[in-house]
Amino acid sequence: QKEVEQNSGPLSVPEGAIASLNCTYSDRGSQSFFWYRQYSGKSPELIMSIYSNGDKEDGRFTAQLNKASQYVSLLIRDSQPSDSATYLCAPDAFQKLVFGTGTRLLVSP
Amino acid sequence: NAGVMQNPRHLVRRRGQEARLRCSPMKGHSHVYWYRQLPEEGLKFMVYLQKENIIDESGMPKERFSAEFPKEGPSILRIQQVVRGDSAAYFCASSDRPANNSPLHFGNGTRLTVT
Repeated sequence: QKEVEQNSGPLSVPEGAIASLNCTYSDRGSQSFFWYRQYSGKSPELIMSIYSNGDKEDGRFTAQLNKASQYVSLLIRDSQPSDSATYLCAPDAFQKLVFGTGTRLLVSP
Repeated sequence: NAGVMQNPRHLVRRRGQEARLRCSPMKGHSHVYWYRQLPEEGLKFMVYLQKENIIDESGMPKERFSAEFPKEGPSILRIQQVVRGDSAAYFCASSDRPANNSPLHFGNGTRLTVT
């Protein structure tokens, strides 16, 4: 079992729709969870962090965490073509972050 | 406040040469992480350093790779006797605390090409 699993996609949504990105992780000791966005050929940039079970909202982004199910998700409301990128899920694993391979999101105008 | 600075942005080496990748963390950050990303693959952890100390090198290949973060100056990732399989993007990230308590901020990466 991979440490962090994400559907590689691509996930295609029309402009204005909600994009839902999912991630499962294997380390029950993980306490911190981060979502990064990476455009092709660029470096990862932090989108959201979440530390407690439940939802955390920041603008058009909502992160959801369920530690019992070892599941974390990212919702993007009112998706824009500029949101087209690869989204990386990263739980912590003893003082470092372990990254999933990412889900490629395509938002069509 | 400058972000994480990596240089060079692009590095071309012939097989058997040495590659040195540099990373200056954000101001006030003493925790440095190196990741490698192969084309169409995810970020793979290599090493975690805190000033003058290697904290976790569980992702470093056993041979040819080394890393340091001296008291003064940037962190260096060194690859000796490079092979074609070393061609990848190498990202450095920094934080003000260990990654379980603080997000990582990434540099723009060094794209290494081995010919």
